Amino acid sequence: GAGVSQSPSNKVTEKGKDVELRCDPISGHTALYWYRQSLGQGLEFLIYFQGNSAPDKSGLPSDRFSAERTGGSVSTLTIQRTQQEDSAVYLCASSLVSGPSGANVLTFGAGSRLTVL
Amino acid sequence: SQQGEEDPQALSIQEGENATMNCSYKTSINNLQWYRQNSGRGLVHLILIRSNEREKHSGRLRVTLDTSKKSSSLLITASRAADTASYFCVPSGAGGFKTIFGAGTRLFVKA
Repeated sequence: GAGVSQSPSNKVTEKGKDVELRCDPISGHTALYWYRQSLGQGLEFLIYFQGNSAPDKSGLPSDRFSAERTGGSVSTLTIQRTQQEDSAVYLCASSLVSGPSGANVLTFGAGSRLTVL
Repeated sequence: SQQGEEDPQALSIQEGENATMNCSYKTSINNLQWYRQNSGRGLVHLILIRSNEREKHSGRLRVTLDTSKKSSSLLITASRAADTASYFCVPSGAGGFKTIFGAGTRLFVKA
């Protein structure tokens, strides 16, 4: 597609429910990133997929968080048993990695705002 | 991967003035990027400068890079209210493409 698409744009859920957030990256982009941004805070790295390599999950805050990337394209971030502190904007980005010394310019989606009541 | 450290944390100027933001990093890089974020949503890539470049321009933006000091600056000339945003620098080296963002500089341009 022309840009990175995220859905839903807004999600309100009750504490304890599971949520799924979806990211459609730019076609052909090999890398995909998830970040979390709480109100007034910076971007917190969550997870990074690059081609067929094992994802870098070092930023996932707990085992309630998981993500997968299907067929090297669409990604889903799942949060199980949501807590109020999970309320944040979840941002997805993709990039075309152009070699070990090349530029890695990220294109971001508009984000999914999650509110846990 | 490494993250840049932006300075100042916040900056408030009048419309028409120039805004300068600084970035420091720790290890050698191949390139450095600047991004802008309006209204807490997705970031937008502004400009990339490679390690063998010292200065780069794009419209009202001027970026400098001093690899000996491991620092970069972003200058926005003739600022506008629409430039109000958070600005982030992202240094990239040979350690892979995991991309980490710092706290950014919050710029507020008063009309």
